[in-house]
Amino acid sequence: KNEVEQSPQNLTAQEGEFITINCSYSVGISALHWLQQHPGGGIVSLFMLSSGKKKHGRLIATINIQEKHSSLHITASHPRDSAVYICAAETSGSRLTFGEGTQLTVNP
Amino acid sequence: SAVISQKPSRDICQRGTSLTIQCQVDSQVTMMFWYRQQPGQSLTLIATANQGSEATYESGFVIDKFPISRPNLTFSTLTVSNMSPEDSSIYLCSVEDRDAYEQYFGPGTRLTVT
Repeated sequence: KNEVEQSPQNLTAQEGEFITINCSYSVGISALHWLQQHPGGGIVSLFMLSSGKKKHGRLIATINIQEKHSSLHITASHPRDSAVYICAAETSGSRLTFGEGTQLTVNP
Repeated sequence: SAVISQKPSRDICQRGTSLTIQCQVDSQVTMMFWYRQQPGQSLTLIATANQGSEATYESGFVIDKFPISRPNLTFSTLTVSNMSPEDSSIYLCSVEDRDAYEQYFGPGTRLTVT
């Protein structure tokens, strides 16, 4: 069993739909990261959170420390949101352990 | 924010040779991280590089295969030694700004070993 598991692995949505990507982890963490990777390979940090909820534009990330679970939500999805979304658990020494990623495709 | 550049952006190398990847950050950072992303896989941490000390390698990665230098607070290199086709991956460096709650990644070096 991986230390960080994401679901679903693949997700196809229609433009405008509300999207949820889930992440469960089994290790103790100092923070949980959500990253976005575009087809060219570039990685962008979306959120780094250790409790509660964060919002940036149409993106919302939540974390439940007791349940070791985090979710990334995208409201009013758009084709430009199509990318791989990766959650990563930060442990001691700022080391990241990554989930397998969720390939999101948003169709117009 | 931190801007990270990597050189080269891509390379095709012969089996048995070595390649050194450079990572430059536009601000001083304490910790730099090197990751590998094999085709179709997620990222795996290779090592953590602190200025002035030996790099700390993760399980499965050794200094002889992936020597790292960290001569100052804005620069690091990762060498992939004695390459084999299994080393074909994207190699990325990253830094963390804990005050800003951000993790920054370089654009990656796409390595193909033939």
